[in-house]
Amino acid sequence: KAGVTQTPRYLIKTRGQQVTLSCSPISGHRSVSWYQQTPGQGLQFLFEYFSETQRNKGNFPGRFSGRQFSNSRSEMNVSTLELGDSALYLCASSLPLAGVDTQYFGPGTRLTVL
Amino acid sequence: AQSVSQHNHHVILSEAASLELGCNYSYGGTVNLFWYVQYPGQHLQLLLKYFSGDPLVKGIKGFEAEFIKSKFSFNLRKPSVQWSDTAEYFCAVNPSGGYQKVTFGTGTKLQVIP
Repeated sequence: KAGVTQTPRYLIKTRGQQVTLSCSPISGHRSVSWYQQTPGQGLQFLFEYFSETQRNKGNFPGRFSGRQFSNSRSEMNVSTLELGDSALYLCASSLPLAGVDTQYFGPGTRLTVL
Repeated sequence: AQSVSQHNHHVILSEAASLELGCNYSYGGTVNLFWYVQYPGQHLQLLLKYFSGDPLVKGIKGFEAEFIKSKFSFNLRKPSVQWSDTAEYFCAVNPSGGYQKVTFGTGTKLQVIP
């Protein structure tokens, strides 16, 4: 099975711009979670989608949003970029039909905001 | 809300030394616990997980972890480390019975010297 794929792998943007990141989960996985990884804060949970519905959300401002399509592919969007948004954004997929299960991570998108 | 503490940020060991990485969590209810590893240049991947049952969990590559409920701890151990274990290790917790909303610790960087 192909793993979790994320595109693009690298992005450079300037403050005030917006950006859209894409994630394709492992085939058959319906849950997609997004994380922000920075050296100082580690991995922080952004949100989780299941069957096109956001089920959980972390403590990030409304500038961070996401969606999931019927094929389980997911996108996250960050509007009005700030310098502090520079980070590695990770996507993880898992079944689970219900509850909690192992997450499989993609390689991440490295976002640099200048 | 749950939180996870990893006490050691950077650990340096010689090959064949024993390893124990601390992880404590804060949450009032039942949890699922995970250890993930990120080798240099690679994706995050699961080392082991605890959902229920035997509190001593064995994972890949000779790693194990023990869940001590009274101490809210889930420490990772390996009797004899190898140079190839050089990586960053993350402890994570997710409340049981709900959906994916995983909280990660800030990670411990392990450097194994040949």
